[in-house]
Amino acid sequence: ILNVEQSPQSLHVQEGDSTNFTCSFPSSNFYALHWYRWETAKSPEALFVMTLNGDEKKKGRISATLNTKEGYSYLYIKGSQPEDSATYLCAQNQAGTALIFGKGTTLSVSS
Amino acid sequence: DGGITQSPKYLFRKEGQNVTLSCEQNLNHDAMYWYRQDPGQGLRLIYYSQIVNDFQKGDIAEGYSVSREKKESFPLTVTSAQKNPTAFYLCASSIGVTGAEAFFGQGTRLTVV
Repeated sequence: ILNVEQSPQSLHVQEGDSTNFTCSFPSSNFYALHWYRWETAKSPEALFVMTLNGDEKKKGRISATLNTKEGYSYLYIKGSQPEDSATYLCAQNQAGTALIFGKGTTLSVSS
Repeated sequence: DGGITQSPKYLFRKEGQNVTLSCEQNLNHDAMYWYRQDPGQGLRLIYYSQIVNDFQKGDIAEGYSVSREKKESFPLTVTSAQKNPTAFYLCASSIGVTGAEAFFGQGTRLTVV
């Protein structure tokens, strides 16, 4: 069974703080790494899909990096806002197989 | 609007009964998936289908069955053999299995009493 690990499990920050989460995954047979945001009472929504070692992607205040050789990805949120409160899911594809998710990092941002 | 529809949102069943969860998509996606979420467990893969009339078991397929007779539909049956069926079930779809962004339904919360 493919094992995707995320840390921390939960995180509480103040508005304006910057924060980051980690996703680690097996580097063998790697194809793609996904990040999703899951807000309460909504469906998970994709943030990034990354495939190449060294990939960096950015969407507004949120960015992500990928290291396929050592098997990790970081998600960064700059200047956290209350609307960033959500569970952030990391998932990995190996070639020809479905996404396998980590347990997620739950972020709470206080104003 | 394009998207994935799961129904019903809440479902209650008596222990020992089979129950079928519906998932329909109008995104013209080839791949569809079923995940289960339990507290503290994240999303665990039950079954997925890469194309019509084809599906593969995920990590926790025991006690579940699926069919993929139409591209738009991927129903999940929770059988009486599933030991702990009470959970939140999410359906998703994507253009293809590998490397494509997944789109999710709103989920079905199944409670077995």
